[in-house]
Amino acid sequence: GENVEQHPSTLSVQEGDSAVIKCTYSDSASNYFPWYKQELGKGPQLIIDIRSNVGEKKDQRIAVTLNKTAKHFSLHITETQPEDSAVYFCGSIGEYGNKLVFGAGTILRVKS
Amino acid sequence: DTAVSQTPKYLVTQMGNDKSIKCEQNLGHDTMYWYKQDSKKFLKIMFSYNNKELIINETVPNRFSPKSPDKAHLNLHINSLELGDSAVYFCASSHGTGGTEAFFGQGTRLTVV
Repeated sequence: GENVEQHPSTLSVQEGDSAVIKCTYSDSASNYFPWYKQELGKGPQLIIDIRSNVGEKKDQRIAVTLNKTAKHFSLHITETQPEDSAVYFCGSIGEYGNKLVFGAGTILRVKS
Repeated sequence: DTAVSQTPKYLVTQMGNDKSIKCEQNLGHDTMYWYKQDSKKFLKIMFSYNNKELIINETVPNRFSPKSPDKAHLNLHINSLELGDSAVYFCASSHGTGGTEAFFGQGTRLTVV
């Protein structure tokens, strides 16, 4: 089945700096890659996603890039703010298209 | 209006008890899921239902039994609770069966003592 690895497990950045979180997946047939943000005591919230026919997608300060050949995708957050502090999860839907598998999560701390 | 709502938010119970967690979505989605988040924050799918039909059943002890009375509701019943069942359980829903653009509830923190 699909396996998703996520790095780093924790990331501390200064307010205003950029943050990058990387994920690799195992199933070459995977075609959907979401990123979720989970704040303390809340459920995961979808912040951006990308499909396999696109290499990059942006939404204001957030962008996701996908390299299908290397089977990895990354989340980029620019001009980080304290409210960006949360746990971020990458995900992948594999060959059979019926199961969303998550990475282990990255704790992002933005220091002001 | 809350898109995916779970009750209760917190549940503390003794080993051996039976408990249920309820979930409702008002998004008109066809598919609903249960995920378990362990103490290390790892999120793993347990079950998914599409239009009241079970389509994913991961390697979960049969003490866990999901029930979907209609496509807007998916409940999780757990028999003979064990210490290792302590976790946060999330309900989610999506349009299709794959989990694309899935919306999650706020979670139920289950503590077994």
